[in-house]
Amino acid sequence: DTAVSQTPKYLVTQMGNDKSIKCEQNLGHDTMYWYKQDSKKFLKIMFSYNNKELIINETVPNRFSPKSPDKAHLNLHINSLELGDSAVYFCASSQEVGENGYTFGSGTRLTVV
Amino acid sequence: GQQLNQSPQSMFIQEGEDVSMNCTSSSIFNTWLWYKQDPGEGPVLLIALYKAGELTSNGRLTAQFGITRKDSFLNISASIPSDVGIYFCAGRMYSGGGADGLTFGKGTHLIIQP
Repeated sequence: DTAVSQTPKYLVTQMGNDKSIKCEQNLGHDTMYWYKQDSKKFLKIMFSYNNKELIINETVPNRFSPKSPDKAHLNLHINSLELGDSAVYFCASSQEVGENGYTFGSGTRLTVV
Repeated sequence: GQQLNQSPQSMFIQEGEDVSMNCTSSSIFNTWLWYKQDPGEGPVLLIALYKAGELTSNGRLTAQFGITRKDSFLNISASIPSDVGIYFCAGRMYSGGGADGLTFGKGTHLIIQP
């Protein structure tokens, strides 16, 4: 079983469209995240979320919104897509309390044309 | 925000050579992590360091958490072809209250020449 799974793996869409990326973790972790990896491979956190708190990186446009139907899922909705949104988006999860690393999904490559 | 400086940016080595890379930070972390990313995949955790001065090994990999909590290094001994990939350091400053994320270095591209 894949620990952190995200779908789709690839997403090609036109500017102005609205799209969603889904993420599920079966690790029982408390906290989930979305990261963006740009063309230079730089990874930057976008959101972190547990059942208590959503923390948003202030540099993330409000066209991006995370939605968590339950503890095991954190989906990413993007409105009015722009060319600059093209990147690889990674979902991750971790235990909030204690010493731990993060487990990442395999990524969604978003291409806006 | 916090910045991590990771070096070198890329390494071209021969199979069998040892590899060393490091990260420095402008501020302290209470956890240092090293990840490897293969093409088309997400980062995979290699080593996690939780205490200043800690030295930890995982097979041919060895990493240390700097005593000042502002730096870490990763060594790979006797490199093999499957070591090729991008290596990332990441720091975490766990606050104990909310959902905090990782700050990543910009990665070290490891290329092994036959």
